[in-house]
Amino acid sequence: LAKTTQPISMDSYEGQEVNITCSHNNIATNDYITWYQQFPSQGPRFIIQGYKTKVTNEVASLFIPADRKSSTLSLPRVSLSDTAVYYCLVGVGFEEYGNKLVFGAGTILRVKS
Amino acid sequence: DVKVTQSSRYLVKRTGEKVFLECVQDMDHENMFWYRQDPGLGLRLIYFSYDVKMKEKGDIPEGYSVSREKKERFSLILESASTNQTSMYLCASSFWWTGESGTTSSNEQFFGPGTRLTVL
Repeated sequence: LAKTTQPISMDSYEGQEVNITCSHNNIATNDYITWYQQFPSQGPRFIIQGYKTKVTNEVASLFIPADRKSSTLSLPRVSLSDTAVYYCLVGVGFEEYGNKLVFGAGTILRVKS
Repeated sequence: DVKVTQSSRYLVKRTGEKVFLECVQDMDHENMFWYRQDPGLGLRLIYFSYDVKMKEKGDIPEGYSVSREKKERFSLILESASTNQTSMYLCASSFWWTGESGTTSSNEQFFGPGTRLTVL
């Protein structure tokens, strides 16, 4: 299983762009990179997933360099409601029922006014 | 919108009781999961199921069992609750998806609101 490393916490202000970088040096060829968001007392929520280059949806962008050993989640113009824990996961879930996702400690993002 | 519902938000049980946690999803997903989340330990997978009547152990299956008799429903059972099973329990469901790598994945999981279980 690919191990991920991300900052323990980050602070930002409303309206700023926030970039959270995740390192995954031993990512496997078939692994996807997936990001989740979690608010207190709620289940995690899927944000975005990618394999290589750039992926964008209505919530965020995910930048993946050619070597795929890291990835950056970009949140444009954050608001107070983006204060949450953000998890970076690497893997393919349950292909062949042997591999599984591992949720690490995540990055606590605090958005201030 | 995908909906994953869990039978209770809060539950208080006594040591030795048998506890049932129910999870229902309405999107016809093949896969369903049970996790527990504890401060400092993150989310840990207890069991998952990729089809009706099928189950696989996750990282911490001891003290738990599961049942999946219908596609939309996945139950977690604590045979004899103990205080160290006090935790937040999260259910999730997902579909199989094949992306750029050509590999099939179940990474996009939809989580329920969680059940905070306290065992006294």
